[in-house]
Amino acid sequence: DAMVIQNPRYQVTQFGKPVTLSCSQTLNHNVMYWYQQKSSQAPKLLFHYYDKDFNNEADTPDNFQSRRPNTSFCFLDIRSPGLGDAAMYLCATSRGTSVSYEQYFGPGTRLTVT
Amino acid sequence: EDKVVQSPLSLVVHEGDTVTLNCSYEVTNFRSLLWYKQEKKAPTFLFMLTSSGIEKKSGRLSSILDKKELSSILNITATQTGDSAIYLCVFHGSGNTGKLIFGQGTTLQVKP
Repeated sequence: DAMVIQNPRYQVTQFGKPVTLSCSQTLNHNVMYWYQQKSSQAPKLLFHYYDKDFNNEADTPDNFQSRRPNTSFCFLDIRSPGLGDAAMYLCATSRGTSVSYEQYFGPGTRLTVT
Repeated sequence: EDKVVQSPLSLVVHEGDTVTLNCSYEVTNFRSLLWYKQEKKAPTFLFMLTSSGIEKKSGRLSSILDKKELSSILNITATQTGDSAIYLCVFHGSGNTGKLIFGQGTTLQVKP
């Protein structure tokens, strides 16, 4: 049974056209993360939510925003996608931020910018 | 800045071979090391190591952490084609945010 679900799996958007990626979870975890993974690179954390508290990484561009309307859902908004934003976007969840808590990853959304 | 280096970057073996993947790190505040397997989708968790010298095993896979040498190895014995994947060495970053710092990965291809 899918525990971390990402929709859509593939998304094509035009340069500059806002796009929203979706993540939902059935684990009732407190923490939800968004990672960006560009081609042939390691995943890189963009930001995370601990419950309703938003935590942005210092080097995450302002173009990237996130919303978490409830425990189950978290959205990644890219306000004006550039060609350099083409990547796989991974959502992950965990019960807490302690090292003892495993992070569960969704299947990812592959974003193409034309 | 925390850094994770994996070697080799890619590896091609035949079924039945044994492989050893390496990970070395420079981390300000070491707390744990994790290994993930990534096929054509999201990373899946393999092991977490927090203490030096402890070996974790799961079937044909095993991993050891050497905190003195700031390194870890992942061993896969009797490889199968289903082991073909990218293997990621990962650390928890400083602070208590749960942030994971990923190495660049080792791409393993197991040929029949």
